[in-house]
Amino acid sequence: DTAVSQTPKYLVTQMGNDKSIKCEQNLGHDTMYWYKQDSKKFLKIMFSYNNKELIINETVPNRFSPKSPDKAHLNLHINSLELGDSAVYFCASSPSSRRKPRAEAFFGQGTRLTVV
Amino acid sequence: KQEVTQIPAALSVPEGENLVLNCSFTDSAIYNLQWFRQDPGKGLTSLLLIQSSQREQTSGRLNASLDKSSGRSTLYIAASQPGDSATYLCAVKNNFNKFYFGSGTKLNVKP
Repeated sequence: DTAVSQTPKYLVTQMGNDKSIKCEQNLGHDTMYWYKQDSKKFLKIMFSYNNKELIINETVPNRFSPKSPDKAHLNLHINSLELGDSAVYFCASSPSSRRKPRAEAFFGQGTRLTVV
Repeated sequence: KQEVTQIPAALSVPEGENLVLNCSFTDSAIYNLQWFRQDPGKGLTSLLLIQSSQREQTSGRLNASLDKSSGRSTLYIAASQPGDSATYLCAVKNNFNKFYFGSGTKLNVKP
């Protein structure tokens, strides 16, 4: 059973389109994240949700909108895609530090987005 | 703001060597530190997690140390194997559930 699963794994789309990436975790964690990995392999946090509530919202264009229908899901919707949005997007989850001292993070396999 | 730096950026060694990867961070107020492995085109696999109160963790041929006061962690890989070739990422977690990543060390172990 995959702990953190993302779909799709690959996404090729044209500029201007709107797309969504889905993420689900079956670990019972209450915190989920979206990270963007650029061409230099640097991972940068975009959003974090705790119990469906947005707690971290880094400086990302408002074309990016996360949605958490429940604790186990955090989807990322991107409007009006631009060439610069091409990257690998990773979803992750962890227990919140207060609930579980170990608070280890688990990552999905990534979604490689290519905007043409 | 927390900044995480990893050196070297790339490392190429012959099989069997023992090696050390370095991670430094600017803010010592961390909750934990985690080392990950990333294979090309793949996701991140957690290798070791060190709580802020711990000094080291070991798993098989891997040993990670943490010196919180000096803002440093090292990942020691013993008797390296070609299968260890990957990018190794260090991440620190602060008390607000936020992870900060280094840019990684790309390791190539030659047979």
